[in-house]
Amino acid sequence: AQTVTQSQPEMSVQEAETVTLSCTYDTSENNYYLFWYKQPPSRQMILVIRQEAYKQQNATENRFSVNFQKAAKSFSLKISDSQLGDTAMYFCAFMKLTQTGANNLFFGTGTRLTVIP
Amino acid sequence: DGGITQSPKYLFRKEGQNVTLSCEQNLNHDAMYWYRQDPGQGLRLIYYSQIVNDFQKGDIAEGYSVSREKKESFPLTVTSAQKNPTAFYLCASSLNGYDRGFHNEQFFGPGTRLTVL
Repeated sequence: AQTVTQSQPEMSVQEAETVTLSCTYDTSENNYYLFWYKQPPSRQMILVIRQEAYKQQNATENRFSVNFQKAAKSFSLKISDSQLGDTAMYFCAFMKLTQTGANNLFFGTGTRLTVIP
Repeated sequence: DGGITQSPKYLFRKEGQNVTLSCEQNLNHDAMYWYRQDPGQGLRLIYYSQIVNDFQKGDIAEGYSVSREKKESFPLTVTSAQKNPTAFYLCASSLNGYDRGFHNEQFFGPGTRLTVL
């Protein structure tokens, strides 16, 4: 079974500063995807960034980047130049691929990030 | 305007009643999913469907039922057998298939908050 662990229930960061959210996962799969989702107070789940396990290069989306360490099964999210709109719950998620095409997500328990003005 | 809609936004149920949560998507996605979110926990998979007229149990299917008569629709019924149904319910959809690469990411609806009175 896949498990995803986010060990930081809450974090805070000053506006314009950089913050890193941690995520580790456990799997015996070799081919999979990893995601970070953001859930603001509206509770809408928004995809922030994704990473294919077969790619060594870390994914980047504007101010968001990841540090993917496959051997260590670690997938941290770095937010640069934090903005007030970044205040949200952040969920790390793991997706394994199956031959039948089912692509189920396994979520961590989330990190609540507060950006302080 | 493509997306996923869920209705109602808020739902109240008396104990012993069945209720049905609606989920509709116009993204032409093959797969649809239902998740439950409780405070302090990540999302947990209730049911998923890869194609019309087919669906599979997720991790916490007891007390729930689904149908998939149309590609666009995947309603969830919370039955009286569900002992603790008060939660936030999220529907998602995705493309399907092993070869689609990361385009099988899941897109989420805005959610339904169910409260048992």
